[in-house]
Amino acid sequence: GAVVSQHPSWVICKSGTSVKIECRSLDFQATTMFWYRQFPKQSLMLMATSNEGSKATYEQGVEKDKFLINHASLTLSTLTVTSAHPEDSSFYICSAYGTDTGELFFGEGSRLTVL
Amino acid sequence: DAKTTQPPSMDCAEGRAANLPCNHSTISGNEYVYWYRQIHSQGPQYIIHGLKNNETNEMASLIITEDRKSSTLILPHATLRDTAVYYCIVRVASHGNKLVFGAGTILRVKS
Repeated sequence: GAVVSQHPSWVICKSGTSVKIECRSLDFQATTMFWYRQFPKQSLMLMATSNEGSKATYEQGVEKDKFLINHASLTLSTLTVTSAHPEDSSFYICSAYGTDTGELFFGEGSRLTVL
Repeated sequence: DAKTTQPPSMDCAEGRAANLPCNHSTISGNEYVYWYRQIHSQGPQYIIHGLKNNETNEMASLIITEDRKSSTLILPHATLRDTAVYYCIVRVASHGNKLVFGAGTILRVKS
């Protein structure tokens, strides 16, 4: 199946700094990618839909100025958590569609810890 | 997208079949049933999907009732590595459609 890769897999940062997470489709082109956030013992919460070459679409309650999404190429979407605070500590997961059957493939996730 | 209802948790003995139910009584005619699972601290893994016919692949079988209001995911010979959270999702299988996750079922496979 298609492979979606995230980097870094984990990151620790100080409060007030910004952190960038990359999501790559390794063997296919993805015009649309999705970003999720997951807190401990909870389900995945969709944050935004990332569209190549255009602005991302954010879910209700997600601050677009806080979570900057850039989808500059058909294989790369980035999520930047700006001015991170401890409450932003979470597991961030991206996903993208494979090119044929409508299956949605997920990255390995990136665990962010803000001190 | 239609909502789904799953039991919060289930136990299964290693080597036995694990049958995970899902209710989706408001499913529309063009919505597929998808199953994903998430092992701790990993991204979700696609398992199987179907529209109305039963489906089988190397991982599992999907049984969908004739009225499509419910389905069952079957892991034929559960192993300890199948311990995970299993998500049943219904959605239109159109490229670009977002996937919204419910609470899922925690499956614990025990030796």
